[in-house]
Amino acid sequence: SAVISQKPSRDICQRGTSLTIQCQVDSQVTMMFWYRQQPGQSLTLIATANQGSEATYESGFVIDKFPISRPNLTFSTLTVSNMSPEDSSIYLCSVPRTWGYTFGSGTRLTVV
Amino acid sequence: KQEVTQIPAALSVPEGENLVLNCSFTDSAIYNLQWFRQDPGKGLTSLLLIQSSQREQTSGRLNASLDKSSGRSTLYIAASQPGDSATYLCAVMDSSYKLIFGSGTRLLVRP
Repeated sequence: SAVISQKPSRDICQRGTSLTIQCQVDSQVTMMFWYRQQPGQSLTLIATANQGSEATYESGFVIDKFPISRPNLTFSTLTVSNMSPEDSSIYLCSVPRTWGYTFGSGTRLTVV
Repeated sequence: KQEVTQIPAALSVPEGENLVLNCSFTDSAIYNLQWFRQDPGKGLTSLLLIQSSQREQTSGRLNASLDKSSGRSTLYIAASQPGDSATYLCAVMDSSYKLIFGSGTRLLVRP
């Protein structure tokens, strides 16, 4: 299956700061997805990152808060901007494969 | 709008029992359905993928079925073990290749 390297695995951040999460895939993919999992909740799609075009955001998520970069077909970043305690969640990237979706190991973010 | 529901929300069973986890979805126009396992604080591990044209998939002690017309899937776990304790998530892929997740079933297998 596809290998996705996601960094950092966890971080504790001060409110008002920003954190950039990176995902590196071991092969080229057209679409990459970013998800958020709030404590005790299931996964919610934040946006779809396409190489060479702007990311497509889901309802309730905006580019100013969650800017995404997709400089090539194997890499993407998600930034959580101007953080508040409500942003404390696990953030995961994902790519589709013929055998299903593969997920990164997740970034556990705590905002204090 | 596609909605995915999982029942039960939590389940506790003694080791060795066979068990069934349920997943239902409101829109039958799906491309596939995938079952995942998530250990506490960890990412997701894919267990089984069922294409929309398939009825079931098996992997070891796991068997997943799909009835697209009725909007239901089940995950059957045979001879459960304490190592099976985790949260199990089902997700359907819609026409835009997005995964829509259910809320999960937290499984505890007691030794």
